[in-house]
Amino acid sequence: AQSVSQHNHHVILSEAASLELGCNYSYGGTVNLFWYVQYPGQHLQLLLKYFSGDPLVKGIKGFEAEFIKSKFSFNLRKPSVQWSDTAEYFCAVTGSNDYKLSFGAGTTVTVRA
Amino acid sequence: EAGVAQSPRYKIIEKRQSVAFWCNPISGHATLYWYQQILGQGPKLLIQFQNNGVVDDSQLPKDRFSAERLKGVDSTLKIQPAKLEDSAVYLCASGGQGAAEAFFGQGTRLTVV
Repeated sequence: AQSVSQHNHHVILSEAASLELGCNYSYGGTVNLFWYVQYPGQHLQLLLKYFSGDPLVKGIKGFEAEFIKSKFSFNLRKPSVQWSDTAEYFCAVTGSNDYKLSFGAGTTVTVRA
Repeated sequence: EAGVAQSPRYKIIEKRQSVAFWCNPISGHATLYWYQQILGQGPKLLIQFQNNGVVDDSQLPKDRFSAERLKGVDSTLKIQPAKLEDSAVYLCASGGQGAAEAFFGQGTRLTVV
C-alpha cells in the first residue's frame, strides 16, 4: 500500500524567509506526485505536480518541488515566502495507473509579517 | 468552468442519527473520490468511483458508510448510524478520464454530538 510522510507538522517563518517542506513516499511502482495547498477557509488546490520528465517542477506562486527517485522524496521549496503563503500544505501520491490519491498528514505553514 | 459542488457545507447531528452528503463533480469527469479529513490529519480516501463503478472502497467502513454514484455523475455519501468519531470534513473530488489530478470541493464539515 502506498503511504506519504511529511516531516514537519507546523512551520513558522518570517516574510522573505526560505521554505522547504519535506515529503517522502512509499510505493512499489511508478508514481505521480503532487503538492496541494489549502488556504484558510478555502478548498484544496493543486500547487504543482510531477508525472515524468524533469524532476524539478515549478508550480504556481513561485513554488517548486524536486523529485529525487533514489530518496523517494518530493520536497517543496519557495525561496522567499509571503504572508499570503500561510496555509496548510499536503503532499500526495498516486500510482501511475491506479489514480488512488493518498495524502500525507499535512504541514501548517504560518508566515509572520 | 464550474468546480466541484458539495452540500451541505455544515451539518450537526446527534450520534446514532443518519446523514447524507451530496457531490456534483466537474462536468465530464469520470473519476470521483470521497475523502474523510479528521482535524489535524490529511485526507483519507473512503471510496473512488470510475464512472458509476467502484474502483476502491477498501477504507470505507461498510457497516455504517455507503456511497453511490448513479448515472456516473452526482454522488451521495451516507452515514448510518453516525458515531462521535465520524466528526470530520468530508471532501469530494473529481478527475478527468485517465488524469491523475483531482479537483476538490469545499467539503462538508460534520459534527456528531
